[in-house]
Amino acid sequence: GAVVSQHPSRVICKSGTSVKIECRSLDFQATTMFWYRQFPKKSLMLMATSNEGSKATYEQGVEKDKFLINHASLTLSTLTVTSAHPEDSSFYICSANKRGFNEQFFGPGTRLTVL
Amino acid sequence: KQEVTQIPAALSVPEGENLVLNCSFTDSAIYNLQWFRQDPGKGLTSLLLIQSSQREQTSGRLNASLDKSSGRSTLYIAASQPGDSATYLCAVQGTDKLIFGTGTRLQVFP
Repeated sequence: GAVVSQHPSRVICKSGTSVKIECRSLDFQATTMFWYRQFPKKSLMLMATSNEGSKATYEQGVEKDKFLINHASLTLSTLTVTSAHPEDSSFYICSANKRGFNEQFFGPGTRLTVL
Repeated sequence: KQEVTQIPAALSVPEGENLVLNCSFTDSAIYNLQWFRQDPGKGLTSLLLIQSSQREQTSGRLNASLDKSSGRSTLYIAASQPGDSATYLCAVQGTDKLIFGTGTRLQVFP
């Protein structure tokens, strides 16, 4: 199997607070994890790529100090949205590469609403 | 820069029809192409993955084809059902990134 989980599935927070989203590969070791965001009725946009034990690579236009990514182990990556604002409200989806496979396995997503 | 486009953006059909969703990409240097389904407010469900060396893949009522040289893929859905209603996304895997298409919102009505 290749199951990826995300926690929480839904979070509502006040403007100015920070929110942490976890992405876990449950039954495999992930060489690389990816974070995407999706605005309503839009497609997925890659935010950053993270490898275990190294700094994440951010896509152009994504603020690394705003979206902190930590890839602490081969099964866990976290995305922290710092000082969240209403424009950060979005659907955040992570994915993971299984070692030896050129396919990404996706988590169920986290709906973030910033009031 | 890879760009992935899907046509049509939206489609509404009666139950039972066979239908074709289209995906085109600008850079043919890809490792694979994948079709996903996304229900409203939910994550992605992988439907079919076609490796760059393959021409098509089939799963049940779904058939996906790939013509890498022309930068096109199609997803064929046979005998559509209301439960097929969802957004369908194609995505191409390049050397380091998975690039998603713009999506096709499908509605199948009884």
